[in-house]
Amino acid sequence: DADVTQTPRNRITKTGKRIMLECSQTKGHDRMYWYRQDPGLGLRLIYYSFDVKDINKGEISDGYSVSRQAQAKFSLSLESAIPNQTALYFCATGDTRFTDTQYFGPGTRLTVL
Amino acid sequence: AQSVAQPEDQVNVAEGNPLTVKCTYSVSGNPYLFWYVQYPNRGLQFLLKYITGDNLVKGSYGFEAEFNKSQTSFHLKKPSALVSDSALYFCAVRDGDTGGFKTIFGAGTRLFVKA
Repeated sequence: DADVTQTPRNRITKTGKRIMLECSQTKGHDRMYWYRQDPGLGLRLIYYSFDVKDINKGEISDGYSVSRQAQAKFSLSLESAIPNQTALYFCATGDTRFTDTQYFGPGTRLTVL
Repeated sequence: AQSVAQPEDQVNVAEGNPLTVKCTYSVSGNPYLFWYVQYPNRGLQFLLKYITGDNLVKGSYGFEAEFNKSQTSFHLKKPSALVSDSALYFCAVRDGDTGGFKTIFGAGTRLFVKA
């Protein structure tokens, strides 16, 4: 079984709709991240969490919110989706505080019409 | 501020030839450097990292990378490319002195290996 899973894998929605992307991990890592990938821009950090009670904004958090329900679960929400949020979204975990090698889920391809 | 640059959007190489994917970085403290690979319809996979020690780091699938402090580079290399190496490669850097969270990813380099 995959160590980091994301649901759904693909989603098409309309402008103004609320969307939740879910992430679960079995690696036992405290650190979890949400990134979005756009062609030519690499990965940009949306939110990160170092433990259940520690959630922080990344570089592009506007229009997004997160919830860390447990060590293993970290959800990303788009309260009112807009077309420029069309992207590939990745969840990742980080292994240790100092090296932070990251382990990624398979991604969610989100299209906002 | 941290930054990482991958100067080539795409690298083309023939199967069996050596390959190099370039990466340069900027951090104020000691760099922690990473390479990740992304295959189609997959998430990023960790390939290798440099934290300290030997400048030549060996990783998965026969890849290696050389840390060059004076040139602030961390180029990814493989002696003999395979068609299956075709993928998107990301370099990433973290400031090892801060102990904080921020890992910066490059924009990615697409590698095409032709049979």
